[in-house]
This record gives sequence, structure tokens and C-alpha cells, in this order.
Amino acid sequence: GAVVSQHPSWVICKSGTSVKIECRSLDFQATTMFWYRQFPKQSLMLMATSNEGSKATYEQGVEKDKFLINHASLTLSTLTVTSAHPEDSSFYICSARDPGSISSGNTIYFGEGSWLTVV
Amino acid sequence: GENVEQHPSTLSVQEGDSAVIKCTYSDSASNYFPWYKQELGKRPQLIIDIRSNVGEKKDQRIAVTLNKTAKHFSLHITETQPEDSAVYFCAATPNTGGFKTIFGAGTRLFVKA
Repeated sequence: GAVVSQHPSWVICKSGTSVKIECRSLDFQATTMFWYRQFPKQSLMLMATSNEGSKATYEQGVEKDKFLINHASLTLSTLTVTSAHPEDSSFYICSARDPGSISSGNTIYFGEGSWLTVV
Repeated sequence: GENVEQHPSTLSVQEGDSAVIKCTYSDSASNYFPWYKQELGKRPQLIIDIRSNVGEKKDQRIAVTLNKTAKHFSLHITETQPEDSAVYFCAATPNTGGFKTIFGAGTRLFVKA
């Protein structure tokens, strides 16, 4: 079945530095990918929609200059957390929509997730 | 945009009993409703999904029902086992507006042996 790979799984960075997380669709071309953030014991909150070849669409309250999203190819989207601070520590997870057939067109596949700790 | 509400937030059942989790959604354009199981520190795993053209779907001990008129859908787990213990999320995906999947708040299921 479709697979979405996310890297790195764990990352620790110093406050003020930037960190990049990659999300790849391995079995299909994803024109749309999604980035979510999940704080402990909370649900997955959509941060932004990554659109191949165009600017990402950010949800209300998400700083686009802090969370840079690049979707330069049909199989890769990256999320860069710039000038990270301890409050950015969270579980970041991407998903990709498999356009596929009509019957599976809305199936969403998740990456493994990335634990970010900012110290 | 879509809004998904999920109840209960915590559910504790005895092994072998059934568990039911209920969700409601607001956007009538939503036509895809996946359910995810998430174990601690792991990614959400799709366990079952239903599309708006059917009212019920079953896969072994798991079933999902959908009432489009009332805009609610439910997850039913029968013969629960300790390994069913996890957090379960319902979600709704509209077929417009970028296909954003919106999640419910989650239900923490405890199955007591």
C-alpha cells in the first residue's frame, strides 16, 4: 500500500536554531501534503496544507514565517521550524493525500512523525 | 470550515465488552470519514474508514456507522482486548476546500483485563 516516510524521527535542537523535517510519499505522487502538530495528550492540529509548486496554505494562528513549508516536488514536502523555542517542542506529523482512483481519492496516509525537542 | 466533535474523551471497558465512540461533524461537504488508532509515541494508524455513499462498514471486530442526515458517525469495537487500549481519533475530510482532514479531540480507550 501507499507509504509516507518522515525524517527525522527524533531531533533535539538548541533554542534559536532551525530544524528541517522531511515528508516523502514513496508509492504515489502527492500534489497535496498536510502538516500537523500534536502536543501531549491532545489531538492532531492542522498547521498547513503543502501544495506542490505553489505556496503553502496556513491555518489561522500558524506563523508562516516561523514554519516554512516547501513542496518542490510531487513526492517531497519539508517543514522548517525557524528560530525554534522550547514551546515549539512537539510531535510533528505529515500526511499525504493519494489522489488515486475515485474510490480512494481521499485516503490520507501518515508519516511516522517527528519528535522535536528544543532545549 | 469543518469542525469535528468526539465523545467520550475517556472510555474504560472490561475485556470482552463492546466500546462505542461517537463523532459529529459540521461540514455537509465532508464525504470521507477515517478512524485512527494511536499508540503512545507512534503515528496514527488507519483502522477503518467510511465514505458518504454507505451507511455502515465492518471489518472483523470493528465497525463504523454513518448518518449523513444527522452528521454523525460512530466506531464500534466488539469483544475488546487489552491491545485495543489506545487513543482513537475520528476525522472528517471534505471533498472541497483542499481536502483537509480535521480530527476529533480523541478518545482514550482502556480495556481492563
